[in-house]
Amino acid sequence: EPEVTQTPSHQVTQMGQEVILRCVPISNHLYFYWYRQILGQKVEFLVSFYNNEISEKSEIFDDQFSVERPDGSNFTLKIRSTKLEDSAMYFCASSGGALWGYTFGSGTRLTVV
Amino acid sequence: KQEVTQIPAALSVPEGENLVLNCSFTDSAIYNLQWFRQDPGKGLTSLLLIQSSQREQTSGRLNASLDKSSGRSTLYIAASQPGDSATYLCAVGGMYNFNKFYFGSGTKLNVKP
Repeated sequence: EPEVTQTPSHQVTQMGQEVILRCVPISNHLYFYWYRQILGQKVEFLVSFYNNEISEKSEIFDDQFSVERPDGSNFTLKIRSTKLEDSAMYFCASSGGALWGYTFGSGTRLTVV
Repeated sequence: KQEVTQIPAALSVPEGENLVLNCSFTDSAIYNLQWFRQDPGKGLTSLLLIQSSQREQTSGRLNASLDKSSGRSTLYIAASQPGDSATYLCAVGGMYNFNKFYFGSGTKLNVKP
């Protein structure tokens, strides 16, 4: 069964450093997403991406965040200057459309120290 | 804004019991609803997807129902097994905005041998 692949599985970074979280969505999917889950809290929406542009972003997704699909297969989330409160599990998801729902990756646990 | 609530927050049952997990949502204008399973520290595994025009979906021992007008969905697990122990998440996709899902807080299920 097709999978969404995320790397790394765990990343530890110092406050103020830039991090890039990587995702390889399912190859024929058109819609891409990033969600995050702070420990003990709900999974929350960050950003959606379609047709090479952001289609929607949440209040959390401020200027410190950016997304990119650099080569037609990868989908990345960049945090420019990490804060302690960015520590969370970050999930990438992709979809072929509303009729098929979402497929999530296994997540990247980001720890900011 | 869509609010998704899951009851109970935690449930502990002996092996072999049939059980029901509940999900409610405040805005009935939904496109679809998806149930996920999350093991500790892991990603989200899709269990069942119900479109707004459907009443239920079944996969093996799992059955999900949807009553859009009352803003409710249930996940029925038959003959529970210790391997079913996990957190079960309900996520709702908006009718006019497929760009994001709203998640509930989940029900943490423990099936005792």
